[in-house]
Amino acid sequence: QKEVEQNSGPLSVPEGAIASLNCTYSDRGSQSFFWYRQYSGKSPELIMSIYSNGDKEDGRFTAQLNKASQYVSLLIRDSQPSDSATYLCAVTAGGSYIPTFGRGTSLIVHP
Amino acid sequence: GAVVSQHPSRVICKSGTSVKIECRSLDFQATTMFWYRQFPKQSLMLMATSNEGSKATYEQGVEKDKFLINHASLTLSTLTVTSAHPEDSSFYICSARDGVNHGYTFGSGTRLTVV
Repeated sequence: QKEVEQNSGPLSVPEGAIASLNCTYSDRGSQSFFWYRQYSGKSPELIMSIYSNGDKEDGRFTAQLNKASQYVSLLIRDSQPSDSATYLCAVTAGGSYIPTFGRGTSLIVHP
Repeated sequence: GAVVSQHPSRVICKSGTSVKIECRSLDFQATTMFWYRQFPKQSLMLMATSNEGSKATYEQGVEKDKFLINHASLTLSTLTVTSAHPEDSSFYICSARDGVNHGYTFGSGTRLTVV
């Protein structure tokens, strides 16, 4: 069974700090990786997708993928209180278009 | 970017009635859409995968006769909760895959309350 694991948190960081969110997955055949942000009572919104080993940067967000170690992480630089939300990791395996979601990590950025 | 519209955003219905939720991809064609349910402070639970022009594929434990899914066109999928009960009260969210950018875009969700 394909599994995607995330620490539920909450992860608490001060405003301006770097928040580091981690996700591990069990299926070595996984090919596509996504990070979503979900505010309380709202639906998830896509932050970033990553497909190749290494780093991918988009503004204050950096996704890091290490297929050998089967983990994908999301770094948020200069964290803001508005970044406080649950961050969901999603993974799709090769040949499948059905994403498997982790349970999400709750991030709290305090002023 | 890809946009998925979901309606209604909030609905209150009486026990025993049926509720239809619509999910539309506005600027792309979606041969596959996904329906999720999320209870408070819990993770997304995939209910079914909706395929255009064919029967939906339901996850284990999801009653296909209770949660009717229709995907009649490349831009519209509907979920009908039949004979709703209070335990069906939840946040229902649809998602569609953008075949161009390969991302999964979510609708805004429907909060269903059965009284």
